[in-house]
Amino acid sequence: GNSVTQMEGPVTLSEEAFLTINCTYTATGYPSLFWYVQYPGEGLQLLLKATKADDKGSNKGFEATYRKETTSFHLEKGSVQVSDSAVYFCALRDSNYQLIWGAGTKLIIKP
Amino acid sequence: NAGVTQTPKFRILKIGQSMTLQCTQDMNHNYMYWYRQDPGMGLKLIYYSVGAGITDKGEVPNGYNVSRSTTEDFPLRLELAAPSQTSVYFCASRPPGDSNQPQHFGDGTRLSIL
Repeated sequence: GNSVTQMEGPVTLSEEAFLTINCTYTATGYPSLFWYVQYPGEGLQLLLKATKADDKGSNKGFEATYRKETTSFHLEKGSVQVSDSAVYFCALRDSNYQLIWGAGTKLIIKP
Repeated sequence: NAGVTQTPKFRILKIGQSMTLQCTQDMNHNYMYWYRQDPGMGLKLIYYSVGAGITDKGEVPNGYNVSRSTTEDFPLRLELAAPSQTSVYFCASRPPGDSNQPQHFGDGTRLSIL
């Protein structure tokens, strides 16, 4: 079946460090891929998405590239800020148009 | 803009009690969803609805019921609360059309069953 695997957290970085959060998936066909972010005490909100192979989604300095050959959609940011502290979820849209979610990765940025 | 509103934010129930988690959205979205979020796990879909009068089971529907009498409201009911239902519950909605459009989430309801 379809599944999403994310690197375990928490990930702790200093401000201005480079961020990578790994996400790999298992799916039939070519699903759309998403990163959602959950700030403390809030619901999830879409960060970025990619709908086909080699697409790059980007938003707020975050980027992720849809890599079909490695079935991956890793999230990156060149210089993180304290305000980026949150839980990040990778997800895919399956053939029934439902979202399949990874377990989430908690990111902690220290000043 | 209100978006997706969930009530209550927190609740403690005793085993066997019942309650309804409320969800309302003011964006005229057709699609609505209920998820549960357990520690260290991704969101699991409980029920979803593609429009008023239509509901379908998701991955983990047992122990829950839903109704969708209006476009705006999508309540989730627990009839006989069990400790396994301790979780954070999120309601979400999405407009019709392109299924790649983002889901809009409420702030969640933290439910403890003791």
